[in-house]
Amino acid sequence: DADVTQTPRNRITKTGKRIMLECSQTKGHDRMYWYRQDPGLGLQLIYYSFDVKDINKGEISDGYSVSRQAQAKFSLSLESAIPNQTALYFCATSKGDRAGDTGELFFGEGSRLTVL
Amino acid sequence: GQQVMQIPQYQHVQEGEDFTTYCNSSTTLSNIQWYKQRPGGHPVFLIQLVKSGEVKKQKRLTFQFGEAKKNSSLHITATQTTDVGTYFCAEENSHFQGAQKLVFGQGTRLTINP
Repeated sequence: DADVTQTPRNRITKTGKRIMLECSQTKGHDRMYWYRQDPGLGLQLIYYSFDVKDINKGEISDGYSVSRQAQAKFSLSLESAIPNQTALYFCATSKGDRAGDTGELFFGEGSRLTVL
Repeated sequence: GQQVMQIPQYQHVQEGEDFTTYCNSSTTLSNIQWYKQRPGGHPVFLIQLVKSGEVKKQKRLTFQFGEAKKNSSLHITATQTTDVGTYFCAEENSHFQGAQKLVFGQGTRLTINP
């Protein structure tokens, strides 16, 4: 079984609909992240959380919200989806290292979202 | 904001040829990581470089961190079809906006002619 699980893996929706992408992890890591991937643009950080009570905006948080329901669960919501939010979304976790840096990221399999 | 320049964006080689991708930052970095993403897959961690001038090897892959900790490279010797994918650098600057986080380059997509 995957250590970082994302659901759904694929979703097609219409403009204006509310969408939630869920992520759960069995790695026991405190840090969790949501990234968006568009062709040719690499991975852009949407939101990140260092523990259950901590939520931080990333590079491209507008139009998104998150919830850290437990150490193991971090969900991403699009309150009113629009076509330019069509992308591949990745959840990731990390343990952090002794220097306080991120450490190795462990990615889920990705959730492909299409907004019509 | 923090800028991560990764070049080239695409590289096509014949199997057996070498391949190099470069990352350059406008700021001094705490560390740099490299990831590989196979077509249709998710990014997978390859390595982290921390020290100035550091060189690390993994079989045919050689990773370097610049002396000034502002640039890095990944070199693959004698590419094989299993090397196909997109290679990303991810830079960490602990002084950026007061919180440690990784900023990814645009990636270099490697394709190989067998």
